[in-house]
Amino acid sequence: GAVVSQHPSWVICKSGTSVKIECRSLDFQATTMFWYRQFPKQSLMLMATSNEGSKATYEQGVEKDKFLINHASLTLSTLTVTSAHPEDSSFYICSAGRPGTRWQFFGPGTRLTVL
Amino acid sequence: DQQVKQNSPSLSVQEGRISILNCDYTNSMFDYFLWYKKYPAEGPTFLISISSIKDKNEDGRFTVFLNKSAKHLSLHIVPSQPGDSAVYFCAASRNTGTASKLTFGTGTRLQVTL
Repeated sequence: GAVVSQHPSWVICKSGTSVKIECRSLDFQATTMFWYRQFPKQSLMLMATSNEGSKATYEQGVEKDKFLINHASLTLSTLTVTSAHPEDSSFYICSAGRPGTRWQFFGPGTRLTVL
Repeated sequence: DQQVKQNSPSLSVQEGRISILNCDYTNSMFDYFLWYKKYPAEGPTFLISISSIKDKNEDGRFTVFLNKSAKHLSLHIVPSQPGDSAVYFCAASRNTGTASKLTFGTGTRLQVTL
């Protein structure tokens, strides 16, 4: 399968600070990347769809000013959690849509803990 | 509203036997379905997919069956191996002309015992 990387793999931050998570598609150019969040023992919930060169599309209930998404190149999308609070603690996973297919390949995830 | 459901949160199967994981969906607009395997603290790994124009797709030990009229799909793993122990998610998407967002089921934890 395709390789998608995420950095960092885990981060601990203080309440009120901002955290940036990077997602890279390493072996294909992804015009569309997706950001998901998973709470313990729950399913993956789509947060937003990131399109290269345009604004992200957010799912209902996701604050776009809190979760800033930038997809500046065909291989990199970033998610910035601004003014993080303990309730933002979660497992964040990105995926890259392989062009010409309906497949998505997922990164390894980032564990965010906000103290 | 959970559009994709996996009603069995867990399943235990003996090594060598068949594992059958089930998934139901409610949205008739879904036309493409995928199965992913996930270990804790890792991202999902793509296993197999099926288009709504088919009713079966096979890849090695993995076979996915789709029953459109029942809005039901299943993943068969045979023979099951201890390394198959993980959480399995089914996911569904609609054709939007580009990489489509996925709606995930709630997952089934498979335990393959010796």
